[in-house]
Amino acid sequence: ETGVTQSPTHLIKTRGQQVTLRCSSQSGHNTVSWYQQALGQGPQFIFQYYREEENGRGNFPPRFSGLQFPNYSSELNVNALELDDSALYLCASSLDSRTTSYGYTFGSGTRLTVV
Amino acid sequence: AQTVTQSQPEMSVQEAETVTLSCTYDTSENNYYLFWYKQPPSRQMILVIRQEAYKQQNATENRFSVNFQKAAKSFSLKISDSQLGDTAMYFCAFMKHGTGYALNFGKGTSLLVTP
Repeated sequence: ETGVTQSPTHLIKTRGQQVTLRCSSQSGHNTVSWYQQALGQGPQFIFQYYREEENGRGNFPPRFSGLQFPNYSSELNVNALELDDSALYLCASSLDSRTTSYGYTFGSGTRLTVV
Repeated sequence: AQTVTQSQPEMSVQEAETVTLSCTYDTSENNYYLFWYKQPPSRQMILVIRQEAYKQQNATENRFSVNFQKAAKSFSLKISDSQLGDTAMYFCAFMKHGTGYALNFGKGTSLLVTP
């Protein structure tokens, strides 16, 4: 097992720009979820992918989008960045959609600051 | 929608002592899962313990145990023999039974273990 790796660890962007965050899931994990954690808050669910298809989405606007690739990597894209998008973005993976109830393996996150 | 409430923003305990973190949740579901996650300064969410709602027996993992009261919708975490490495944010989380469902997190409790 290699764990979940996220890149970059820190990022500063300007309001209105676009950003792509990357995640490399644990080998063999077909399910990946993304969470947004604002300062002092618990993580909020953005969306989940299973075998490259989105199969769950939280209360986030369409400018938050994602991709999952066959090599267990995934991306979170955010367009038209707003100041409130400043947060820690966490990627989490699970073996498949039936085992998410056993808990996810999380990465250490990307700290995004929008100025 | 499910909500998770952690009423203790901060707690402190001395090394080797026992501490209990509180969590309540609101749901109309009968079948679901509950989790406690630990987030140290490294930012990575680490699964501490998991409980299935249809199991009456409280889950235990070494020094960590839960008190699950389904009727009261309460799910507290007890840490015995506290260690300095237990210092972290602790998040209670809820997940509906089924596929494609996300973790709903509380706002967290900051636990400080002192020598």
